[in-house]
Amino acid sequence: EAAVTQSPRNKVTVTGGNVTLSCRQTNSHNYMYWYRQDTGHGLRLIHYSYGAGNLQIGDVPDGYKATRTTQEDFFLLLELASPSQTSLYFCASRAGGRATEVFFGKGTRLTVV
Amino acid sequence: GDSVTQTEGLVTLTEGLPVMLNCTYQSTYSPFLFWYVQHLNEAPKLLLKSFTDNKRPEHQGFHATLHKSSSSFHLQKSSAQLSDSALYYCALSPTGNYKYVFGAGTRLKVIA
Repeated sequence: EAAVTQSPRNKVTVTGGNVTLSCRQTNSHNYMYWYRQDTGHGLRLIHYSYGAGNLQIGDVPDGYKATRTTQEDFFLLLELASPSQTSLYFCASRAGGRATEVFFGKGTRLTVV
Repeated sequence: GDSVTQTEGLVTLTEGLPVMLNCTYQSTYSPFLFWYVQHLNEAPKLLLKSFTDNKRPEHQGFHATLHKSSSSFHLQKSSAQLSDSALYYCALSPTGNYKYVFGAGTRLKVIA
């Protein structure tokens, strides 16, 4: 099964702080995604990428930057964290082809106080 | 744009009764549709996905039928089990880009 590893698993930061969430997949998947999960809103797409150096804007990008440094690594950056960004963040990867499934990491729980 | 609508936030059922979770979608062209299941403290994982032909996907007793005329992909099971209690997401993969869009999710609670 596809392996997607997120770090850290839990993070607490203060309002205005900088946070970087990391994601690595070891399945040679082309596509990687960052989602946030909130009760009542489901999984909302923040950013996604189809290869190293590529970045696509998702549906809720405000306040987030992302960077895909290699095929394996995809980072989510919060440069001025706000309490509204307290959430459970999932990274996912996917092979090429529209009929393919996404494989999720275990998630990072971020709390901004 | 591409979107998925799941109208029920919470569905509570007695064990043994049939399950139906609603999913409708909007997409410019014919997308692929998926159902994911997320158990407590776990990541979502694939339950089943639509086919390009008229086959009906099935897994673990669940099935779903893609109706292009009504833009729907409802999830069904004939008899709910306690272990089916989980959060269920409908998702779509649109034509023309590699976004992967999820609905708001439906929490299924099965009681004895």
